[in-house]
Amino acid sequence: GAVVSQHPSWVICKSGTSVKIECRSLDFQATTMFWYRQFPKQSLMLMATSNEGSKATYEQGVEKDKFLINHASLTLSTLTVTSAHPEDSSFYICSARVRGTGRNTEAFFGQGTRLTVV
Amino acid sequence: KQEVTQIPAALSVPEGENLVLNCSFTDSAIYNLQWFRQDPGKGLTSLLLIQSSQREQTSGRLNASLDKSSGRSTLYIAASQPGDSATYLCAVDNYGQNFVFGPGTRLSVLP
Repeated sequence: GAVVSQHPSWVICKSGTSVKIECRSLDFQATTMFWYRQFPKQSLMLMATSNEGSKATYEQGVEKDKFLINHASLTLSTLTVTSAHPEDSSFYICSARVRGTGRNTEAFFGQGTRLTVV
Repeated sequence: KQEVTQIPAALSVPEGENLVLNCSFTDSAIYNLQWFRQDPGKGLTSLLLIQSSQREQTSGRLNASLDKSSGRSTLYIAASQPGDSATYLCAVDNYGQNFVFGPGTRLSVLP
């Protein structure tokens, strides 16, 4: 199957600093990428939808100024957690679909990033 | 708004047993449904994708069925092994855009 690479796999940062997470589709082009967040013992919740060349669409309750999403190319989307606080500690995971193959296509997920804010 | 539930929330069985994990969704107008496996602290591994026009998919010891009209899917695991221990997530393709995930079933297969 297609490969989605997410980096870093884990990061520890100090409160108040910013952290950037990258999501790359390695062997396919992805017009749309999705960012999810998973708190301990909970399921994945969609944070935002990232569209190449346009602004991201955020889900209700997700602060767009805190979680900056950039989709600069068809193979790269980034999520920046700005001024991170301990409550932002979570597992972040991205997903992408192969471009131009219709709706009934499999979604591929990155390996996830474990963020710990101390 | 699409909602996905999974039963049971947790399951512990001895090695060799056949298992059935259940997934239910409220809006039957879906494009596809996907089953994933997640190991502790890890990302997702796709197990099976069932498109809306299909009724089941099989891969090795895994078989997943889909009944759109009743809003249900089941994942059948045959001859379970300790290596099958993980959390199994059901996700519904929400109108071809993002996925809506269920809360997962935590499976523990005892040797």
